[in-house]
Amino acid sequence: SAVISQKPSRDICQRGTSLTIQCQVDSQVTMMFWYRQQPGQSLTLIATANQGSEATYESGFVIDKFPISRPNLTFSTLTVSNMSPEDSSIYLCSGKGGWEETQYFGPGTRLLVL
Amino acid sequence: AQTVTQSQPEMSVQEAETVTLSCTYDTSESDYYLFWYKQPPSRQMILVIRQEAYKQQNATENRFSVNFQKAAKSFSLKISDSQLGDAAMYFCAYRSPGNQFYFGTGTSLTVIP
Repeated sequence: SAVISQKPSRDICQRGTSLTIQCQVDSQVTMMFWYRQQPGQSLTLIATANQGSEATYESGFVIDKFPISRPNLTFSTLTVSNMSPEDSSIYLCSGKGGWEETQYFGPGTRLLVL
Repeated sequence: AQTVTQSQPEMSVQEAETVTLSCTYDTSESDYYLFWYKQPPSRQMILVIRQEAYKQQNATENRFSVNFQKAAKSFSLKISDSQLGDAAMYFCAYRSPGNQFYFGTGTSLTVIP
């Protein structure tokens, strides 16, 4: 299994600013994902982070709003740009190894936008 | 499109008793994976159990077992001898052959001492 950490664990931000969330995996994974989860709700996939190339975004999410980087197999960042209160949510990073069928999750980043 | 449905938003169980959480899914694929994840109040999503669709035998992990009915597209989770630490949000998930994951809306489980 993979152990995934995220920084920061939580933050309070002002409207119009940007926040970058970091995700670190303790072992190489072939696939990394970013999800958004409203409190008490299910997970919504934002994008698949691809190593060395542009992320693959799901419908409703765009690169200008949620730029993602993945410079290597164990690290990725998600930026929430030009934030508004509607962006207040929990952001989860996950990873999946090529030999694994299971997706493992980080502890999440709780974001509040004022 | 694949969908995952959890029809029980909330469930409760007496400590030491057994509870079953329901999950149904929709797919036209024949080879896929199903998962149950647990998310305690601390927020970390933890894998509870997984099932490979091509295996007829139901998966079991200690006190956790599944009832996988492929034809009915049903994947329920049974928790035996419930413990206080089992209290959490439980998500059912489907993984397509293309590695896309789909999650249900979750079932909040309360364990009553």
